[in-house]
Amino acid sequence: AQSVTQPDIHITVSEGASLELRCNYSYGATPYLFWYVQSPGQGLQLLLKYFSGDTLVQGIKGFEAEFKRSQSSFNLRKPSVHWSDAAEYFCAVGARYKLSFGAGTTVTVRA
Amino acid sequence: NAGVTQTPKFQVLKTGQSMTLQCAQDMNHEYMSWYRQDPGMGLRLIHYSVGAGITDQGEVPNGYNVSRSTTEDFPLRLLSAAPSQTSVYFCASSYSTDSRNVLTFGAGSRLTVL
Repeated sequence: AQSVTQPDIHITVSEGASLELRCNYSYGATPYLFWYVQSPGQGLQLLLKYFSGDTLVQGIKGFEAEFKRSQSSFNLRKPSVHWSDAAEYFCAVGARYKLSFGAGTTVTVRA
Repeated sequence: NAGVTQTPKFQVLKTGQSMTLQCAQDMNHEYMSWYRQDPGMGLRLIHYSVGAGITDQGEVPNGYNVSRSTTEDFPLRLLSAAPSQTSVYFCASSYSTDSRNVLTFGAGSRLTVL
């Protein structure tokens, strides 16, 4: 069975600073990997996804993620954070009809 | 607007009561699923369906029933609510059962069981 670990429960970052959210997965075959974002009181929205090919993937809102097979990681990055990026971020791995989510990382942006 | 519609948005139940959370999608999606979201635990899959008449269990199915009589609807039933079922519930759907398909989520239903 697949699983996802997001080591950081909460991250605080200053507006304009860079952001990196960590994600480690466990899955026996080639994983399908996703990052979703959830704004307060809202459902989840897809930021980006990785299936195969180029290991650096670009998403919406200026986010990118890098797949590293050797480290079983799929970390999310943004060079310069905006106040509107304050949200909860979920990494997920998809396999056999099921999407397994990590526990999430809450991002707080300070002025 | 096309999407996933969940009702109700908020519900308070007493222990032992039953209720149904409704989920409807108008995108002709084949795959539908229910997740619950709890603090520090992310989203956990309760049940899913790969088409009308076909359902299966996810990670945390106990205490919940589902059925899929039409492509559009996928209700989640709590037969005898327990405080442990206090959570936010999300319905999600995708075009097919291919795990690469992106899920479209509803806005969520917040359930409190007293």
